[in-house]
Amino acid sequence: GAVVSQHPSWVICKSGTSVKIECRSLDFQATTMFWYRQFPKQSLMLMATSNEGSKATYEQGVEKDKFLINHASLTLSTLTVTSAHPEDSSFYICSAELSGATDTQYFGPGTRLTVL
Amino acid sequence: GESVGLHLPTLSVQEGDNSIINCAYSNSASDYFIWYKQESGKGPQFIIDIRSNMDKRQGQRVTVLLNKTVKHLSLQIAATQPGDSAVYFCAESRGYNKLIFGAGTRLAVHP
Repeated sequence: GAVVSQHPSWVICKSGTSVKIECRSLDFQATTMFWYRQFPKQSLMLMATSNEGSKATYEQGVEKDKFLINHASLTLSTLTVTSAHPEDSSFYICSAELSGATDTQYFGPGTRLTVL
Repeated sequence: GESVGLHLPTLSVQEGDNSIINCAYSNSASDYFIWYKQESGKGPQFIIDIRSNMDKRQGQRVTVLLNKTVKHLSLQIAATQPGDSAVYFCAESRGYNKLIFGAGTRLAVHP
């Protein structure tokens, strides 16, 4: 149980285009989901906290207009990288928190974004 | 600033030996700590967790030790296997369920 999926697993896009990444909790409801970014050989950096039905909370230094987050249901959150540039190339990982069970996050497999 | 950090970026061990991965944290208010394993190109995988009201917790082949006095966390892996090769991260929770990850330690298991 507690499986989180991400789609796509990898994507290559041209500079200036937008890319949407989906995060789904497959067998549980997640009131809260988190989006992380991980550069090669570095740790996970929290980008934003996504709450179902409300606006996401972004970490300091993360542009909310560039990284659009939508959490329209208890099983789906999306991250859209708008006007992507090569420096946005990274590994994007989401996690979902089991509703009612604080501190328990289940991570997705990640999405590799490469911007040409 | 406050951070969760690791002492060793790379740890090499022989298959069958025990591994110890260390982590230091700076926020004494943190009350929940987790160890994750991340294989190349994959998301973090939960290994074991511990709350601040405990000093030790054991799982299958893994043990986490928490020393609140010196704000130190360690992960012990018994009888390390090639499949244990990965990057290991400690993370702390400071409330609001936000996880702060450490820098990571790469564990390399040699036959």
